[in-house]
Amino acid sequence: SQQGEEDPQALSIQEGENATMNCSYKTSINNLQWYRQNSGRGLVHLILIRSNEREKHSGRLRVTLDTSKKSSSLLITASRAADTASYFCATVTNAGNMLTFGGGTRLMVKP
Amino acid sequence: DAGVTQSPTHLIKTRGQQVTLRCSPKSGHDTVSWYQQALGQGPQFIFQYYEEEERQRGNFPDRFSGHQFPNYSSELNVNALLLGDSALYLCASTLSLIADEQYFGPGTRLTVT
Repeated sequence: SQQGEEDPQALSIQEGENATMNCSYKTSINNLQWYRQNSGRGLVHLILIRSNEREKHSGRLRVTLDTSKKSSSLLITASRAADTASYFCATVTNAGNMLTFGGGTRLMVKP
Repeated sequence: DAGVTQSPTHLIKTRGQQVTLRCSPKSGHDTVSWYQQALGQGPQFIFQYYEEEERQRGNFPDRFSGHQFPNYSSELNVNALLLGDSALYLCASTLSLIADEQYFGPGTRLTVT
């Protein structure tokens, strides 16, 4: 079973716009990670935020975490056509480092 | 520095058959996890191997089994294949049992007819 839900399931924007994806989860976590997947291939790790952190930045990526609401958001600023992919959030509990994924957001950035 | 590799890339099997998928972890990594990703869904954790033993297991039947070799490479075996086993099977490796960042291979696309 999956930990939570991602919203929206699909997002289509123009190049240069910002893209925001949300993730909700159900249990207490140790950390939350975001991954990117191109065309049903392997996943690429983007960013990790720990349960005691509220916000983290990496290049054009900004992640927030609200443990009281059990939710996270991923913001991609100044999007590019090359950002077109599926984005997944994944949680890690204190029981081990296996990942529990959400259903993903399919992002399309139009040139 | 070689990343995670998986073989084969694609595989077509018939219901009831058995299949073996292979994974070589990233150089220096000793922990391997397997995930199943059905079309349009997020990956689901199958199991994790460390020191040649299964350490964690997700909600998958005993038809799914695995093995880890002394060189840290791993195999995923699925017996008595069902149509519902059709999926992308992803292997991920980490530096240790407690390392956070997982490195994924390109996956093996299994189609069961």
